[in-house]
Amino acid sequence: AQTVTQSQPEMSVQEAETVTLSCTYDTSENNYYLFWYKQPPSRQMILVIRQEAYKQQNATENRFSVNFQKAAKSFSLKISDSQLGDTAMYFCAFMKPYGGATNKLIFGTGTLLAVQP
Amino acid sequence: NAGVMQNPRHLVRRRGQEARLRCSPMKGHSHVYWYRQLPEEGLKFMVYLQKENIIDESGMPKERFSAEFPKEGPSILRIQQVVRGDSAAYFCASSPVRENTGELFFGEGSRLTVL
Repeated sequence: AQTVTQSQPEMSVQEAETVTLSCTYDTSENNYYLFWYKQPPSRQMILVIRQEAYKQQNATENRFSVNFQKAAKSFSLKISDSQLGDTAMYFCAFMKPYGGATNKLIFGTGTLLAVQP
Repeated sequence: NAGVMQNPRHLVRRRGQEARLRCSPMKGHSHVYWYRQLPEEGLKFMVYLQKENIIDESGMPKERFSAEFPKEGPSILRIQQVVRGDSAAYFCASSPVRENTGELFFGEGSRLTVL
């Protein structure tokens, strides 16, 4: 069974600085997807970034980038130029593509990020 | 475009009562997923439905929980004879096509409190 581990329950960063959130996972699969979702105080889950395991290039979305280390089963999220609006719970998630197309995401327990002014 | 709509946002029930949570997917989406978030935990998959069909219910408790997505109207997650352990946030998500990209669009969740 796949598992996702986020070892940092809480983190804090000053506005405009850079912060890295850690995520490790365990799987015997070779092809899969990894995601970072953001859950702000409104509680709505928002997709931040996605990585396909067969792609060696790290995904980037504006200020958000990942460091995907497939051999180490590590998938960290870097937020550059942190903004107050980045304050949220961040969840790492894993998905194995099925032939039946079930988008069964497996989530970590989350990291609560607080951006300080 | 309206996003995924869930209601009620907050629901309080006493032990033994029934809870019904509704989810209207985004326009054009015909696939609905229900996830449960217990306090201090991540979201856990419960069930995946298409119109009039349950595709995967491997995350649903065997008793008291049921889900449907009728041809017309919202998807319903029904919890009978609620217990305190059912207190959680229940999230609905939708996707437009049967694709394995993991890009789900989530609602704001329904928070169930069982007294």
